[in-house]
Amino acid sequence: GQQVMQIPQYQHVQEGEDFTTYCNSSTTLSNIQWYKQRPGGHPVFLIQLVKSGEVKKQKRLTFQFGEAKKNSSLHITATQTTDVGTYFCAGDNAGNNRKLIWGLGTSLAVNP
Amino acid sequence: GAGVSQSPSNKVTEKGKDVELRCDPISGHTALYWYRQSLGQGLEFLIYFQGNSAPDKSGLPSDRFSAERTGGSVSTLTIQRTQQEDSAVYLCASSPSTGISYEQYFGPGTRLTVT
Repeated sequence: GQQVMQIPQYQHVQEGEDFTTYCNSSTTLSNIQWYKQRPGGHPVFLIQLVKSGEVKKQKRLTFQFGEAKKNSSLHITATQTTDVGTYFCAGDNAGNNRKLIWGLGTSLAVNP
Repeated sequence: GAGVSQSPSNKVTEKGKDVELRCDPISGHTALYWYRQSLGQGLEFLIYFQGNSAPDKSGLPSDRFSAERTGGSVSTLTIQRTQQEDSAVYLCASSPSTGISYEQYFGPGTRLTVT
């Protein structure tokens, strides 16, 4: 079945360092979404990418969708302690039921 | 407006008992999803509703799990004869079914502990 792989599983950085998480799908996606889950919290929607090669920025966060619409990345510049949490990508299987295929997430820890 | 709400927030039950978890989606959202998340793990899809119908039940772990949705709004997830491996956080999410962007809005979850 369709799978979305996310790497790395864990990342530990010093505050101020950059961080990137990658998402790869076994099939072409119609769009991809990114969510953040703080420790003890629930996933919160960050952004949706739809177009091939799309790049979107939210302050220090940069999101990319690959040309083939099978991979995506989230890059955080100059991490802060508030960035701590697990980042999930979720791909749309392009069916009518709008069921998302979720990656297992990347847990980010930031040392102050 | 109000977000997705779930009740109870915590549930401790004895092995073998039945439990019912409730989800109130955002008003007007026709799509509703149930997920399960074990400690430190990703999201495990359980079931998806579009209106009152469930086109995708593929994630339900066993026939002890069932879910329904009435009036296109409130949904309940029922687990019969609970087992210790059912212990997890059960998350509900809702989503509008029109437009291009249909991000999922999550509730705070129900933490289920089976003793």
